[in-house]
Amino acid sequence: DTGVSQDPRHKITKRGQNVTFRCDPISEHNRLYWYRQTLGQGPEFLTYFQNEAQLEKSRLLSDRFSAERPKGSFSTLEIQRTEQGDSAMYLCASSLVGRGQETQYFGPGTRLLVL
Amino acid sequence: AQSVTQLDSHVSVSEGTPVLLRCNYSSSYSPSLFWYVQHPNKGLQLLLKYTSAATLVKGINGFEAEFKKSETSFHLTKPSAHMSDAAEYFCVVSGRSGNTPLVFGKGTRLSVIA
Repeated sequence: DTGVSQDPRHKITKRGQNVTFRCDPISEHNRLYWYRQTLGQGPEFLTYFQNEAQLEKSRLLSDRFSAERPKGSFSTLEIQRTEQGDSAMYLCASSLVGRGQETQYFGPGTRLLVL
Repeated sequence: AQSVTQLDSHVSVSEGTPVLLRCNYSSSYSPSLFWYVQHPNKGLQLLLKYTSAATLVKGINGFEAEFKKSETSFHLTKPSAHMSDAAEYFCVVSGRSGNTPLVFGKGTRLSVIA
């Protein structure tokens, strides 16, 4: 257990529905990352926050995706009008920047299945 | 741009024999390199990281990796495989000082045969 938690662990939804995932990072960590992992592939970066500011978004993050980290603590990732291609594992990672080499610690992931 | 290539999608070894998982990297900067392991239904766990100090990096569970700049490689090794080592292994590169999102390889699935 790395100390990063994600909720829910599994989500099954129908195409067109909206879903929201939550990530709770390690408490003193100032950076929070979202990645997506499809079957047989390595995780791919989606977006990241430093405190409450969203600093970078991947081109993988379509307009249907939005992420927030309102108070610089937990984060949510929402997918609107889900499509079957959104089926994947969504991973959250956190890190502490400013004390030497950054190391990202990953949560267990939320597995999404869109029917 | 940074990238990594894991040269084998699947490696199978017998218990007690050495493990070698190969990784080549490409980076515009002096890279930070990592190996992560992912067991079924579990999160990614950091095995080890290279940050421009010693070129031979020791990690958890007896794993180590050697950074070779001339070969742009960062291969992962272990002298003696254990059944519990069976998992998916990812070679990962980050940017200067590690302060950029991680770029993962496609992974190598390690099977350990009794």
